[in-house]
Amino acid sequence: GAGVSQSPSNKVTEKGKDVELRCDPISGHTALYWYRQSLGQGLEFLIYFQGNSAPDKSGLPSDRFSAERTGGSVSTLTIQRTQQEDSAVYLCASSLERAGRNEQFFGPGTRLTVL
Amino acid sequence: DAKTTQPPSMDCAEGRAANLPCNHSTISGNEYVYWYRQIHSQGPQYIIHGLKNNETNEMASLIITEDRKSSTLILPHATLRDTAVYYCIVRDMDSNYQLIWGAGTKLIIKP
Repeated sequence: GAGVSQSPSNKVTEKGKDVELRCDPISGHTALYWYRQSLGQGLEFLIYFQGNSAPDKSGLPSDRFSAERTGGSVSTLTIQRTQQEDSAVYLCASSLERAGRNEQFFGPGTRLTVL
Repeated sequence: DAKTTQPPSMDCAEGRAANLPCNHSTISGNEYVYWYRQIHSQGPQYIIHGLKNNETNEMASLIITEDRKSSTLILPHATLRDTAVYYCIVRDMDSNYQLIWGAGTKLIIKP
């Protein structure tokens, strides 16, 4: 079946604007993860969903960041009043279950550039 | 902070075995070793994971030392398409769903 998809693939925005990033996980995957990756760096965990609930939001860098997941499927990461330091690749991953014996499958990412 | 240390970069000749080391000296008994790789401009891709025993799949082999403080990922016959950043991650399977990523090893396969 289809893998994890993310949209848009690229987003350029002006400082202060809001952006929404979308993730479509693999069908049937109950766990969904958001990460961000700055140039040349490893991945930084942002938030994890099990079903529609987010038991761990500890990775969100500020209250400008929020995420939701509806129907146990699609997730949206919203960044309000974007800042230049928000520029990064935002990656979404899904896995079959929280216990994590199953690997995470990653989407191609959304490259966000804040001017 | 990442619980693993890896060399920042390595070269390997095409067709040869690529051996990527990883130190995880503080690993605990219920933590698995995971390997992912990230080819340029793509999302990371799972390779293999293990707890104590050596593991092999169609992509690679994972050799874990007896004291579990280090491991080696082996790509038996490296191709140019194996050029990527390889991440070694330790993960508590029961309570920690996060993957804590370090900087990884940039593996360059040379013709």
